[in-house]
Amino acid sequence: GAGVSQTPSNKVTEKGKYVELRCDPISGHTALYWYRQSLGQGPEFLIYFQGTGAADDSGLPNDRFFAVRPEGSVSTLKIQRTERGDSAVYLCASSPQNQRGNEQFFGPGTRLTVL
Amino acid sequence: SQQGEEDPQALSIQEGENATMNCSYKTSINNLQWYRQNSGRGLVHLILIRSNEREKHSGRLRVTLDTSKKSSSLLITASRAADTASYFCATDPDRASGSRLTFGEGTQLTVNP
Repeated sequence: GAGVSQTPSNKVTEKGKYVELRCDPISGHTALYWYRQSLGQGPEFLIYFQGTGAADDSGLPNDRFFAVRPEGSVSTLKIQRTERGDSAVYLCASSPQNQRGNEQFFGPGTRLTVL
Repeated sequence: SQQGEEDPQALSIQEGENATMNCSYKTSINNLQWYRQNSGRGLVHLILIRSNEREKHSGRLRVTLDTSKKSSSLLITASRAADTASYFCATDPDRASGSRLTFGEGTQLTVNP
């Protein structure tokens, strides 16, 4: 079956612009996670959804970052007034449900470059 | 912020040798997972060990967990060139809600043919 997909695979934008990154989780997975990974670092948690609601958004760095999952499937990560420091690979993951001990299935990521 | 530290940061070995990577963490956990990442993109889950387990095997992988020392190790036996990748440990915290993973900084493994 299809895995987690993310679009676009690469996004180049200018400082100050708005960007949207999309994640299509594995069908039927109720838990969805966003992470950000800088070069040479491990992924850092941003936000996770259980169904349509954001169950934990404590990893969002500031109010320029926002994410939605209106129908409990596809999610969009939105970044306003982008800064050069936002450049990173944004990873999405899903898991069947938010039970302890579920592995997370990762997408290939969106590489965001802010010039 | 990263909870875990992994060592070594980079490891280069010959095909057929064993590779051992270590991970330390700071807070109490429900489980610890190891992931592999090729070319800086998506991660692939390798193995999960629960806080009440001490050792687990999966194929050529062996994971140990010492909760008293807050550390884990991943052993890859009989390594292959295709094992070249970055390896990350990730902790699932022991708390009432949520299953967010906290990743270490990773070990870059190079297996030379």
